Amino acid sequence: DQQVKQNSPSLSVQEGRISILNCDYTNSMFDYFLWYKKYPAEGPTFLISISSIKDKNEDGRFTVFLNKSAKHLSLHIVPSQPGDSAVYFCAASTFYNTDKLIFGTGTRLQVFP
Amino acid sequence: DAGVIQSPRHEVTEMGQEVTLRCKPISGHNSLFWYRQTMMRGLELLIYFNNNVPIDDSGMPEDRFSAKMPNASFSTLKIQPSEPRDSAVYFCASSPNRGNVNEKLFFGSGTQLSVL
Repeated sequence: DQQVKQNSPSLSVQEGRISILNCDYTNSMFDYFLWYKKYPAEGPTFLISISSIKDKNEDGRFTVFLNKSAKHLSLHIVPSQPGDSAVYFCAASTFYNTDKLIFGTGTRLQVFP
Repeated sequence: DAGVIQSPRHEVTEMGQEVTLRCKPISGHNSLFWYRQTMMRGLELLIYFNNNVPIDDSGMPEDRFSAKMPNASFSTLKIQPSEPRDSAVYFCASSPNRGNVNEKLFFGSGTQLSVL
């Protein structure tokens, strides 16, 4: 039972354009969401997060949008760079168990020149 | 400042053998997590500890899997006997766990396990 879903296993984007990675969740108790980035042969590293009291959080080229009614969040990367090529994982936690992160299956982003 | 340290980086074993994966969390972090990454299921939480005590092991797939945390600086994940379907990348992660605060996890580099 996948509570956090990333339905696109891969995405290919040209350098300089926008990358949009999507994530859907089923548990209405989730109130904190994170994106992690993973390069080959390395562990995932934290990228950006958003609390359910917000609908947008921005950090440089990265912006996360949250639509609570649709149980959907997205990560926008503008402009995309070749170094952004990695696997991106969406994760979520609940207010009653802030320490336990549930991850999605990941989306492999490839940014080509 | 050392991050989460996992060993070995790679493990190749034969079906039926015992496998032990090791993890040293970041000093001062109170929570430790074991995740497994597969193509089909992404990053699955297997078990996590808070202050060395197992809190939730509902993700442990079978009785063949066991995890221990004898002290704040060391944890093991053991598979006995191992099977080919256990082949995956196993990650250990830790977090500061400062109470009711959303914390991010810090991951190790993982152990690539291949069971032949």
